[in-house]
Amino acid sequence: AQSVTQLGSHVSVSEGALVLLRCNYSSSVPPYLFWYVQYPNQGLQLLLKYTSAATLVKGINGFEAEFKKSETSFHLTKPSAHMSDAAEYFCAVSPAGSSASKIIFGSGTRLSIRP
Amino acid sequence: DAGITQSPRYKITETGRQVTLMCHQTWSHSYMFWYRQDLGHGLRLIYYSAAADITDKGEVPDGYVVSRSKTENFPLTLESATRSQTSVYFCASSDRQGSNSPLHFGNGTRLTVT
Repeated sequence: AQSVTQLGSHVSVSEGALVLLRCNYSSSVPPYLFWYVQYPNQGLQLLLKYTSAATLVKGINGFEAEFKKSETSFHLTKPSAHMSDAAEYFCAVSPAGSSASKIIFGSGTRLSIRP
Repeated sequence: DAGITQSPRYKITETGRQVTLMCHQTWSHSYMFWYRQDLGHGLRLIYYSAAADITDKGEVPDGYVVSRSKTENFPLTLESATRSQTSVYFCASSDRQGSNSPLHFGNGTRLTVT
């Protein structure tokens, strides 16, 4: 069985501050991990994905995430927040070797940026 | 424009009515999915399709029906809408079966059942 937990349904940071969105997963087999971003009134867009190559994954818009097997974590970070980063972020896990239908999404974290 | 188009964007219907949500993609992706998004639940898979005429249930299929007669279309029908089906519905597609394949989402349909 697999699951994903996003710690904090809402995170607020100041513009220019570090963004840290937390994601922990549980998977019985090596997982693939994803971060998606959802802007208001839009669908989800892929931000980045981990597929067992490099443990530090760089995505779009300056975001990156690090896969830590010992901590079963895949936290999303950005060194300096921008107002345009305000959105909902979803972490997702999918067991390697399975199909795309097996992906499980976290409940999401809403990121607010203070001027 | 290429991509996934969902229609309508907003729909209000009454309990017991049948309603169909449309999804059209121009990429010729084999795999298509329907999710519902509810506060505190993230996205939950309703149905998915691996190809035309091949569909399968997801996590929360009860009360929904899908069909896929053409690769590009994947309509979702609520046969008798209930208030618990008030949600935002997202259609998605993928060009590959593998679990490392990213999903491409439409902009969603916000459905309210009164």
